[in-house]
Amino acid sequence: GDSVTQMEGPVTLSEEAFLTINCTYTATGYPSLFWYVQYPGEGLQLLLKATKADDKGSNKGFEATYRKETTSFHLEKGSVQVSDSAVYFCALSVLSGGYQKVTFGTGTKLQVIP
Amino acid sequence: DAGITQSPRHKVTETGTPVTLRCHQTENHRYMYWYRQDPGHGLRLIHYSYGVKDTDKGEVSDGYSVSRSKTEDFLLTLESATSSQTSVYFCAISDLQVLAGGHEQETQYFGPGTRLLVL
Repeated sequence: GDSVTQMEGPVTLSEEAFLTINCTYTATGYPSLFWYVQYPGEGLQLLLKATKADDKGSNKGFEATYRKETTSFHLEKGSVQVSDSAVYFCALSVLSGGYQKVTFGTGTKLQVIP
Repeated sequence: DAGITQSPRHKVTETGTPVTLRCHQTENHRYMYWYRQDPGHGLRLIHYSYGVKDTDKGEVSDGYSVSRSKTEDFLLTLESATSSQTSVYFCAISDLQVLAGGHEQETQYFGPGTRLLVL
């Protein structure tokens, strides 16, 4: 079946450090790929997405590139801020049985310290 | 933000009692979903709906039922709550988009969640 694997956290970085959160996937068919962010006590918010190979999604300084050859969608940010502290979920979406089935990774907690 | 609300936001109940959670949307989206979020499991799909009165099971549907009598409302019912159903429940909505080249793509938008504690 479809699956998403994320690096385990927590990830602790100092402010202004470079961030990479790895995400790899397995899927039947041609998935769309997503990163969601969840702040404490809140729901998941869409951060960025990519729908085909070599697409780059970007938002709020975060970016990720859809790499079909390595089945990866790693999240990067050049300079993190304390306000980026949250849990980040990688996800894929494929058409399955008449609806778009979304599979989530288990999440990676990011803590940014001043 | 997508117009999605969930009620109640917090609920404490006892084992064996029925519980109903409500998801309400103002976006007129066709698809609605109920997930549960538990440590170490990410989000797991309970049930989904692809239209009024059209629902189907997800991967963890045992012990749950749903109803959708109107486009804007999707109800999740725990017929007889158990401690294993203590969780955070999220509703999501989406619509399919057809991109250039005929590729279909969907983006799900999430509600704020309901924290349920079953004692």
